[in-house]
Amino acid sequence: AQKITQTQPGMFVQEKEAVTLDCTYDTSDPSYGLFWYKQPSSGEMIFLIYQGSYDQQNATEGRYSLNFQKARKSANLVISASQLGDSAMYFCAMSSTSGTYKYIFGTGTRLKVLA
Amino acid sequence: DVKVTQSSRYLVKRTGEKVFLECVQDMDHENMFWYRQDPGLGLRLIYFSYDVKMKEKGDIPEGYSVSREKKERFSLILESASTNQTSMYLCASSIDGITEAFFGQGTRLTVV
Repeated sequence: AQKITQTQPGMFVQEKEAVTLDCTYDTSDPSYGLFWYKQPSSGEMIFLIYQGSYDQQNATEGRYSLNFQKARKSANLVISASQLGDSAMYFCAMSSTSGTYKYIFGTGTRLKVLA
Repeated sequence: DVKVTQSSRYLVKRTGEKVFLECVQDMDHENMFWYRQDPGLGLRLIYFSYDVKMKEKGDIPEGYSVSREKKERFSLILESASTNQTSMYLCASSIDGITEAFFGQGTRLTVV
């Protein structure tokens, strides 16, 4: 069965510092996608970054990068130069290209950026 | 700009009521999803649909049903609302179920 594990319920980071949010996954599918979403206190889910399982390079989007280690089945999100507006809930998710297509989410990490 | 719209932001219903949560997307996406979000449990999939009139159960379908009569609209139905269905409900759509999903703003449902 597919599973996403986020072991950090909450994290603190000082403004302007980098922070890594952990995500491990479990799947037997040969092809899959990995995602990170941000959920501010307003509740909407904001897509941040995507990594395909066959992508050779780690995905980057501005201050966000996804540290993809396929052998370890990890897909950590790195936020560089943290800003106060980065304070939010962050979810790691996975999709599959075999069988029916759906998204599995982790339990989330609440990040607080300190001034 | 892509848009997924949920009919209500906040909803309060009584136990035993039939509740409809509506979701509309304007991106011509094949796939639509309903999730429920609870603290410490993340997002859990209730139902999803990959085509008009097609639906599949997710991980927690009990007490819910869905309807997809038109491609752009996916409705979640609570047949007889109970207090344990008090939660945040999120609708999402995606073009292929593989690349990114787009979410609505969420409906915070309280059943009293």
